[in-house]
Amino acid sequence: AQKVTQAQTEISVVEKEDVTLDCVYETRDTTYYLFWYKQPPSGELVFLIRRNSFDEQNEISGRYSWNFQKSTSSFNFTITASQVVDSAVYFCALSEAKTGANNLFFGTGTRLTVIP
Amino acid sequence: DVKVTQSSRYLVKRTGEKVFLECVQDMDHENMFWYRQDPGLGLRLIYFSYDVKMKEKGDIPEGYSVSREKKERFSLILESASTNQTSMYLCASSFGRGSLRGEQYFGPGTRLTVT
Repeated sequence: AQKVTQAQTEISVVEKEDVTLDCVYETRDTTYYLFWYKQPPSGELVFLIRRNSFDEQNEISGRYSWNFQKSTSSFNFTITASQVVDSAVYFCALSEAKTGANNLFFGTGTRLTVIP
Repeated sequence: DVKVTQSSRYLVKRTGEKVFLECVQDMDHENMFWYRQDPGLGLRLIYFSYDVKMKEKGDIPEGYSVSREKKERFSLILESASTNQTSMYLCASSFGRGSLRGEQYFGPGTRLTVT
């Protein structure tokens, strides 16, 4: 069965520190997709990134970077030089190819607080 | 930009009432989803639909039903609201099926309180 684990429930960092949010997933599918979403205090989930299981290249987008490692079933998210606006709940999610639609299985989220 | 709207941000209903939550998307997406979000549990899928008049149960469909009469609109129905259905309800939509793994776009959520 599919599963997404975000072991860090809450993290606090001081502004300008780097922070890594962990995500470990389980699936029996060989084709799957991984996502990260951000949920700011306003409540609306914002899509950040999607990776498919055949593309293990790390990705960088500004201060954000993602490290996908199939060997450890992890898809970790790093924010460099954190800012107060990064304070949010971050969700990692998994979608398996076998499902008819692109259902997402979410982790329980990590609440990040960036202290000014 | 994709826009997913939900009919209410906050809703207070009494136990036993019938509750309708409406969701509309403007990007002609095939797939639509209803989740509930509870502290410590993340998002859990209630129902989804990949086409008009089609619906599939998610992980926690009990106590809920859905309706999709038009492509852009997906309604969640609580036939007889109960206090354990107090939660944040999130609607989402996405493009495509099968190998087209479009990301889901979310609405702002409806915080439902059942008293």
